[in-house]
Amino acid sequence: DVKVTQSSRYLVKRTGEKVFLECVQDMDHENMFWYRQDPGLGLRLIYFSYDVKMKEKGDIPEGYSVSREKKERFSLILESASTNQTSMYLCASSFEGYEQYFGPGTRLTVT
Amino acid sequence: QQPVQSPQAVILREGEDAVINCSSSKALYSVHWYRQKHGEAPIFLMILLKGGEQKGHDKISASFNEKKQQSSLYLTASQLSYSGTYFCGTGVMEYGNKLVFGAGTILRVKS
Repeated sequence: DVKVTQSSRYLVKRTGEKVFLECVQDMDHENMFWYRQDPGLGLRLIYFSYDVKMKEKGDIPEGYSVSREKKERFSLILESASTNQTSMYLCASSFEGYEQYFGPGTRLTVT
Repeated sequence: QQPVQSPQAVILREGEDAVINCSSSKALYSVHWYRQKHGEAPIFLMILLKGGEQKGHDKISASFNEKKQQSSLYLTASQLSYSGTYFCGTGVMEYGNKLVFGAGTILRVKS
């Protein structure tokens, strides 16, 4: 079974802190994704990576950056956390354009 | 641009059928369907590709009208386990392997 793991299920940070969310997949997928999920808005793509060190902006990249140094690991970075970044963050991976496998999510609260 | 899902919410009794629709303003290459239960990660149900290829769940069917950029998910003889939020994710050729997800349809099956 494909497994996508995320570093934390719950995280509480203060405004202005630098926040790292990590995602690891074990199926050698070249594609990895970071989404943000808010009630009534569905899943919105923050960033996408199709290979090591390669990244593309999604629909809402402002305030976020990403890093992919190894194929299995994709990190989301909030350079200076703000309260409007309080949300559920989901990581996913896929082989080409086929089904995406999601991690359990990280609920981030910024106070 | 986010695809539009309808209805926003539906309540069924066990054994009843439901149809969830997904409509896009873009020419689509693929449509994915996922189900998310409360507090869990979305799980893959079905993928429909331009040209008619389908891959997915045994008890769930779907259609993809390429000309109208629409897809419908058919849930027949619903079970309590079908409850959750259903998302469609749309793939557009020029976006590569990225998906744009709809806001979701909440389905509740009552006994």
